Amino acid sequence: GEDVEQSLFLSVREGDSSVINCTYTDSSSTYLYWYKQEPGAGLQLLTYIFSNMDMKQDQRLTVLLNKKDKHLSLRIADTQTGDSAIYFCAEEGAGSYQLTFGKGTKLSVIP
Amino acid sequence: EPEVTQTPSHQVTQMGQEVILRCVPISNHLYFYWYRQILGQKVEFLVSFYNNEISEKSEIFDDQFSVERPDGSNFTLKIRSTKLEDSAMYFCASRASFGQGKADTQYFGPGTRLTVL
Repeated sequence: GEDVEQSLFLSVREGDSSVINCTYTDSSSTYLYWYKQEPGAGLQLLTYIFSNMDMKQDQRLTVLLNKKDKHLSLRIADTQTGDSAIYFCAEEGAGSYQLTFGKGTKLSVIP
Repeated sequence: EPEVTQTPSHQVTQMGQEVILRCVPISNHLYFYWYRQILGQKVEFLVSFYNNEISEKSEIFDDQFSVERPDGSNFTLKIRSTKLEDSAMYFCASRASFGQGKADTQYFGPGTRLTVL
């Protein structure tokens, strides 16, 4: 089946940039998503990118997509302590109703 | 901003008991989903529902599971005879439409934590 992989942990200092990486296997992926999960909370959609795009910027967030390598990244500029959370990469295949999630990257921001 | 709601936030049950998890999707949405997340693991797709029938389901969604949209607002997940391994966070999601060249994303509820003893 399809798979999405992420590194499990990332630690950055407040004010630095964070880069969270994700790889996926489904070559028919149409949309790729980043969700944020704070402790005890649900999944908050942060941003998404369509597969025919290379980059998308949304305020402090920049998503880069390398479709050839099936690699997706999320860059958070000027990382704040409130950005501490688990970040999930998810992909949606063509004609599929379901999202396939990675295990999530736990971002810890050091003051 | 409209949001998906779920009740209860936490459900504790004995093994073998039936549980019903409830969700109220966003009002104009047409597609509904259940996912689950076992502690420390990936969020896993269970089932999708459209036009009053199941569109797609995963291997996890066996005969012990069922979904229903009993009225115009609620979307429920029933587990007939719970097992210890059903302990997880269950997320409901809804989506306005599908495809047509733009991302109509899935909006997730806050989840119901199910604990089976």
